Parts: sequence; C-alpha cells; structure tokens
Amino acid sequence: GAGVSQSPSNKVTEKGKDVELRCDPISGHTALYWYRQSLGQGLEFLIYFQGNSAPDKSGLPSDRFSAERTGGSVSTLTIQRTQQEDSAVYLCASSLVGTGLNEQFFGPGTRLTVL
Amino acid sequence: TQLLEQSPQFLSIQEGENLTVYCNSSSVFSSLQWYRQEPGEGPVLLVTVVTGGEVKKLKRLTFQFGDARKDSSLHITAAQPGDTGLYLCAGFSAGNNRKLIWGLGTSLAVNP
Repeated sequence: GAGVSQSPSNKVTEKGKDVELRCDPISGHTALYWYRQSLGQGLEFLIYFQGNSAPDKSGLPSDRFSAERTGGSVSTLTIQRTQQEDSAVYLCASSLVGTGLNEQFFGPGTRLTVL
Repeated sequence: TQLLEQSPQFLSIQEGENLTVYCNSSSVFSSLQWYRQEPGEGPVLLVTVVTGGEVKKLKRLTFQFGDARKDSSLHITAAQPGDTGLYLCAGFSAGNNRKLIWGLGTSLAVNP
C-alpha cells in the first residue's frame, strides 16, 4: 500500500489481557514512531526506531509496554496486563529518515479500549 | 521539560470567518510543523517552518514562525467547513532533531 497501515483498527480487551498492535510503515522509510493519543492529551511519544540503531524507548510509560521492529519494516507494540488507563488511540508514523525536516506519515491508528 | 502550548483549545466559528491559532513555548525550536487531524485518521503535515520570521502560505492558510523561533501561528482566511479538524503543532527542539515535541492541539469546528 501507499501509506502507513495499522491493525487492528479497533481493539476491545479486558483488563489484565495482553494486546499486540501492528504497524506497516511506508516501504523504504527507515524511521518508525509509536505515539499514544488520549482525549485531550495530544500526542504522547512512546518509542522510536531508526534503521539498525538501538530504539529510543524513553517514552514508554511502564515495563508493560514493549515494541519491536522486525527486518527494519513491520513493528509490533505489545501491552501486557492491560489497564483501563491504557485506553487510547495508538498511532504509528514513519519517515524517510529520522532527522531533520522529514515529514512523518501517520497511520489511521488503533483505538484500544480496556474494559 | 519542553512544552508547546496551543491556544485556543477549542474554536467554533461560522463559515467565512477568519481565525488565528497559536503555538507557544519558552524554548527555542529548530523547526516547527503544523499538522491537521480529522476524526479516525492520523495527523497530516501541512507545513514546516524553519527560519525565524518565516511566513508560509498554503491557499487560505498562513503560517508564521516567530523571530526567536519560540512560537508560531496559523491564520485561516474565510474558513470553510472542510477546515474542520484538530490542528497540532510539533517541533524539533534545538539539539534534538529526532523526536518531535507535540502541542495538545486546537479543535476547530467551522459551521456552514
């Protein structure tokens, strides 16, 4: 596809369950970002991958959150033992390089609801 | 912690009116970007400003970067219902050009 895709588009889960969110970036983009957007909270940076460098995990809110990027392409964000406060829209973005003025292209997001 | 403050948080206007939204910080940014986000979609880049005092125009939208590169504004002339959305500013701070710092956004509703 031409753009960033994310799946699932919606996920409803019960408190305590684990969830996996997937992001397919634009082909050839070396940088990939995960953000969380809660109502009224703007975009909260979670994690950043750039090529083969060690990811910047400084935004992950707890050790229940982890992410990996396989083969420099697809990324999976995993939330273990979900809590109600994890409910939010999780956005993935990719850019051609991870520095400078490069535009971040966003996917449509995954809306996570933790009951 | 570097912050970008956007104002107003909410704005509801009639079609044809003009409006300005602001993005302010106490810190210097090497560049600022403006995005628009529609419901159910991710943000889409509108413009990047780099030079202090820079003005960029995109049809009815005018973007300005402050002389000190600490603030920016977005002015919309003769707003249309299609302008409705969440307007987000984001910037690369001086010294860290890998991670964008985001404002909370201005939610704009343009009523026909």
